Amino acid sequence: DAGVIQSPRHEVTEMGQEVTLRCKPISGHDYLFWYRQTMMRGLELLIYFNNNVPIDDSGMPEDRFSAKMPNASFSTLKIQPSEPRDSAVYFCASSFWLGQGNTEAFFGQGTRLTVV
Amino acid sequence: DQQVKQNSPSLSVQEGRISILNCDYTNSMFDYFLWYKKYPAEGPTFLISISSIKDKNEDGRFTVFLNKSAKHLSLHIVPSQPGDSAVYFCAASARTGGGADGLTFGKGTHLIIQP
Repeated sequence: DAGVIQSPRHEVTEMGQEVTLRCKPISGHDYLFWYRQTMMRGLELLIYFNNNVPIDDSGMPEDRFSAKMPNASFSTLKIQPSEPRDSAVYFCASSFWLGQGNTEAFFGQGTRLTVV
Repeated sequence: DQQVKQNSPSLSVQEGRISILNCDYTNSMFDYFLWYKKYPAEGPTFLISISSIKDKNEDGRFTVFLNKSAKHLSLHIVPSQPGDSAVYFCAASARTGGGADGLTFGKGTHLIIQP
């Protein structure tokens, strides 16, 4: 398996524009997570899905952020409208159930978003 | 309020010596702990984990120790090698109700191995 695949790797956009980040999880994984990394706050969980259903979106900072998982092999994180403070690296991760005897979540390489 | 804390933003260790990275947590519901390693421009990669039913887990040069009463865990790397230079994240999970919480991460410690 190629691992978790995120696109684009880099995105530069102007304030007010819509931004869509994409993620393809590892085949067979039933959990998908979106994280954001900033210098100030480190790695923060934004939202996670189980079997394509959003389970916890309490980490989503504002209504400008939305995430979807239309099927088991694809998820999007959308920011509309984008603001300079949204600039960060966004990571997608997937895993099996993080339960008894299980191990870890696998991360994609991230999307570096710059909003100017 | 940060539930997982890594109080040392950076750590410099001489090659061949032991590196000790520390992590504290506040949520008593956490029962599964992981260490991730991150190189620049890459995603975090899993290094080693420990369940709360254990107090030690070892994998080659890497050992994680868990002190539940102190809500403290540490990662030991012996001997340290130049390729170990990276940012190390401590993470924790509360496996409540048979489901999975997303991992809660610390802010990371930048380990620098000096030749």
